[in-house]
Amino acid sequence: KAGVTQTPRYLIKTRGQQVTLSCSPISGHRSVSWYQQTPGQGLQFLFEYFSETQRNKGNFPGRFSGRQFSNSRSEMNVSTLELGDSALYLCASSLELAGTKNIQYFGAGTRLSVL
Amino acid sequence: AQSVTQLGSHVSVSEGALVLLRCNYSSSVPPYLFWYVQYPNQGLQLLLKYTTGATLVKGINGFEAEFKKSETSFHLTKPSAHMSDAAEYFCAVSKGAGSYQLTFGKGTKLSVIP
Repeated sequence: KAGVTQTPRYLIKTRGQQVTLSCSPISGHRSVSWYQQTPGQGLQFLFEYFSETQRNKGNFPGRFSGRQFSNSRSEMNVSTLELGDSALYLCASSLELAGTKNIQYFGAGTRLSVL
Repeated sequence: AQSVTQLGSHVSVSEGALVLLRCNYSSSVPPYLFWYVQYPNQGLQLLLKYTTGATLVKGINGFEAEFKKSETSFHLTKPSAHMSDAAEYFCAVSKGAGSYQLTFGKGTKLSVIP
């Protein structure tokens, strides 16, 4: 079974641009979460989607948004990029069934560099 | 609000020595607790989890952790370190069943000295 797939793996953008990152969850998984990882702030929760609905949102500005499609694939978008948005963005998927104990499986991430 | 504190951003052990990585948490509800490992340029891999039941949990690669409610701790141990254990380790907490929002500690980078 394929794992969580994130594309692209690396991305370079300039300040002010916008970017879209993609995440394909493990087949059958319906919950997708996004995290930002930086050396200074560590791993921080961005948002979580289930059945195309945002269920939970972290403490990030409105420039960060996401969505989930009917096939559970998810995208996140960052508009008006700032230097501080440079980070590794991780996607995680979960099989939401009783007994699965909320286990999240992570992709390899997309490393975004903002110049 | 939940929080996780990992004592020691860097830990060095000799190959074959005991590995002990410390994690303390705070949670307003009975938590689910996790340890993840991250190798360079990779995502996070689940080592083990505590949800309910037995407080000593065993994970992959010989790691185990013990949930101590009175000490609000969930320390990770391995009896004998291997060179392949060198990586960064993250402790995380969620609010329990139905919650998919993880709060992570800052991470502990483990070095294994031959």
